[in-house]
Amino acid sequence: NAGVTQTPKFRILKIGQSMTLQCAQDMNHNYMYWYRQDPGMGLKLIYYSVGAGITDKGEVPNGYNVSRSTTEDFPLRLELAAPSQTSVYFCASSRLRGPNTGELFFGEGSRLTVL
Amino acid sequence: AQKVTQAQTEISVVEKEDVTLDCVYETRDTTYYLFWYKQPPSGELVFLIRRNSFDEQNEISGRYSWNFQKSTSSFNFTITASQVVDSAVYFCALSAQAGGTSYGKLTFGQGTILTVHP
Repeated sequence: NAGVTQTPKFRILKIGQSMTLQCAQDMNHNYMYWYRQDPGMGLKLIYYSVGAGITDKGEVPNGYNVSRSTTEDFPLRLELAAPSQTSVYFCASSRLRGPNTGELFFGEGSRLTVL
Repeated sequence: AQKVTQAQTEISVVEKEDVTLDCVYETRDTTYYLFWYKQPPSGELVFLIRRNSFDEQNEISGRYSWNFQKSTSSFNFTITASQVVDSAVYFCALSAQAGGTSYGKLTFGQGTILTVHP
């Protein structure tokens, strides 16, 4: 019952460092997403993917990159970390079709602090 | 552009009280989906309900009920006989268009923090 797995759960970065947040799902979902949640705010979409090899920008893509080489994995890379990227990051996936299409399955989140 | 507004930032109730969380949305699309998610203190997001724009029938699931009114662009959520375990942040979200990745491209409200006191 793994669902969506994110690593690491916590990370502190220095300004200018880079890192990759890992996300893997074992539900064979076509769609995967990265959201960020800032304090007191709702989630905002960073990037999404409709399948292996296909990605697209969401609402707040600046400072991030993604790749989707397999159906299971959707890593999010932060280049040149900035304090504005301090946030909780959620990876999610959803089915292409079938019952409950549209229901997002979320990972537990990754809390990132940039100092 | 889409927008979701949850007017109540925080609500505090005593156990067994009924509580309604308001959600108002804006979209130009005629086909869209509305969602409610729960985020308990542990931090994960839990799917509660999805409603499409063509189905205005209210829904009840145990102590939870949802009132969708297209005329007022509202999708309110009521918890009957609240319990301490209902304490969480609740998010209303909107996804416009039918099918495809629009399903997961959600626009979230800012959330309502619900605290249920024993």
